[in-house]
Amino acid sequence: QSVLTQPPSVSAAPGQKVTISCSGTTSNIGNNYVSWYHQIPGTAPKLLIFEDNKRPSGIPDRFSGSKSGTSATLGITGLQTGDEGDYYCGTWESSLNSGLFGGGTKLTVL
Amino acid sequence: QVHLVQSGAEVKRPGASVRVSCKASGFTFTASYMHWIRQAPGQGLEWMGWINTNNSDTGYAQKFHGRVTMTRDTSISTVYMELNSLTSDDTAIYYCARDWTYKAFDPWGQGTLVTVSS
Repeated sequence: QSVLTQPPSVSAAPGQKVTISCSGTTSNIGNNYVSWYHQIPGTAPKLLIFEDNKRPSGIPDRFSGSKSGTSATLGITGLQTGDEGDYYCGTWESSLNSGLFGGGTKLTVL
Repeated sequence: QVHLVQSGAEVKRPGASVRVSCKASGFTFTASYMHWIRQAPGQGLEWMGWINTNNSDTGYAQKFHGRVTMTRDTSISTVYMELNSLTSDDTAIYYCARDWTYKAFDPWGQGTLVTVSS
């Protein structure tokens, strides 16, 4: 069981919006940046969001990140079938000086 | 183009050791920390540790302390992850990833499947 809590699955229709939450504590999300990754089965994860809310070049603005206190949220608008896959939040755990990932959320675009 | 290329799949017996390599290109190798993350079949991501490619300092997840060693060879821009005393629970895809900024990992290697089976 991960220290960072994500919903196991979310779903929405093409063109709609979805949000994925990531809940932690003051020693991880509360005091460290959060990043988000998208993983299509059989491939390596890909960075979507870094430093809570910034997008690397090449990531469309349909993807957004936010953080409040000890929780972070990934938002995806204008859903496309290519957005399906698993989404992971990641951060640092200050008390253990170690990396941390959420358990992952499977997105289905109906 | 920033790229990480990992070594090929491995099959090991329980109790054995495995070493996975990760060759970097397209960026200054000694300017970035590198991390190792693994993913068991059907499971989520599990962070294993990091290596400072400039001075070879390392930091490991408590779970792997005493069983994992991360090293680097700056002459060939390659980092290595060695895991010993393997059990079936170590069957997983092992990824290397560059610490691009504040523990955001980009890019990732293509992954190396390690299968532990008798």
